[in-house]
Amino acid sequence: DTEVTQTPKHLVMGMTNKKSLKCEQHMGHRAMYWYKQKAKKPPELMFVYSYEKLSINESVPSRFSPECPNSSLLNLHLHALQPEDSALYLCASSHSGSFRNEQFFGPGTRLTVL
Amino acid sequence: GESVGLHLPTLSVQEGDNSIINCAYSNSASDYFIWYKQESGKGPQFIIDIRSNMDKRQGQRVTVLLNKTVKHLSLQIAATQPGDSAVYFCAENRLRSGGSYIPTFGRGTSLIVHP
Repeated sequence: DTEVTQTPKHLVMGMTNKKSLKCEQHMGHRAMYWYKQKAKKPPELMFVYSYEKLSINESVPSRFSPECPNSSLLNLHLHALQPEDSALYLCASSHSGSFRNEQFFGPGTRLTVL
Repeated sequence: GESVGLHLPTLSVQEGDNSIINCAYSNSASDYFIWYKQESGKGPQFIIDIRSNMDKRQGQRVTVLLNKTVKHLSLQIAATQPGDSAVYFCAENRLRSGGSYIPTFGRGTSLIVHP
């Protein structure tokens, strides 16, 4: 299984809602990532988990809260988002953060904040 | 600050032609580069990588060239097919806090292949 899955594929939420994005991989990877991608732009790193511990937070607003319950799962909890947070949220995983660090990306969750 | 960027935002080619996508980088200490392909509705997919101790690396129908003198790399796709239509990103693996190497993505080039 060389796949990263993400649910849901699409999500529409209001600014007062609380929702969660989910990501799963069964490749035994110990590094997992959240990226945000706006239309026609490159992915921007948000968070990195290494061995289930948060290792990088790219100064992401606290309305985004990541969680890594175990080595296969990665969640992104959303609360009180703004319309400008609408974007494609990509999850990725890699064997580790070593030099040759090939990342495997999921298909993303298309988020719309109304 | 340091950046990884692309020269052309859109490249249109005819099916069967060769495609060349260019990328410039500014960090002369950069040691490892990756090309990703992102099709519509999908996440980026690893295509090929190259280390700075190499000038050229070939894969199946793809070749990456690295010119460290002018800090430039390119992705060449031979006999381009409609299935190659996608956005292509170059990325530079950078050492981050905690000892992890994380790719920093360039702007992206949209490749459009006309049948």
